[in-house]
Amino acid sequence: EAGVTQFPSHSVIEKGQTVTLRCDPISGHDNLYWYRRVMGKEIKFLLHFVKESKQDESGMPNNRFLAERTGGTYSTLKVQPAELEDSGVYFCASSHQPGQGPEKLFFGSGTQLSVL
Amino acid sequence: SQQGEEDPQALSIQEGENATMNCSYKTSINNLQWYRQNSGRGLVHLILIRSNEREKHSGRLRVTLDTSKKSSSLLITASRAADTASYFCATARGSGGSNYKLTFGKGTLLTVNP
Repeated sequence: EAGVTQFPSHSVIEKGQTVTLRCDPISGHDNLYWYRRVMGKEIKFLLHFVKESKQDESGMPNNRFLAERTGGTYSTLKVQPAELEDSGVYFCASSHQPGQGPEKLFFGSGTQLSVL
Repeated sequence: SQQGEEDPQALSIQEGENATMNCSYKTSINNLQWYRQNSGRGLVHLILIRSNEREKHSGRLRVTLDTSKKSSSLLITASRAADTASYFCATARGSGGSNYKLTFGKGTLLTVNP
């Protein structure tokens, strides 16, 4: 079974440019999460999809960030325009069915975003 | 606001020694989980302990949970160089469902020297 995959693994862009991160969750996982870790800080929740619907986007920093999950499969996270403080590692995670009891998350390897 | 906070921030030990990491949190929880992250890789789930459990074992891992103190500890016995990684605790308020999410701390960087 393939794990959670993220693309690209690294991205270096200039301030003001646009970047789109992609996440392919484990097949059949309804829940998809985006997290971010800025260097030296905690891993911070960004948002949560259940299938194609945004369940919780309370962690999204501002309206420069746009997440989508078309058809309830893969998800994209677009940052436009990117700012210096957006640099960090963006993790995607997925989990099985909602309502099935305490759940662990399966994480991708992350995208290291550097905004110069 | 930050829910989990690990202590210490960094820990360096010799191979064969035991490593203990602590985690404190602020609100009531349903379960607490520990994850490991090797450099450049994703987080890997290690162990989950429910709020009504006090101790759990998995291989060389031992986790305790004290809900009255809102704290947990992760003990790795007989450490190996391959245990070198960052360790994160994560708390969940619900048991599952559409509102389920984990809240992470800053992590403890464990270095096991050969």
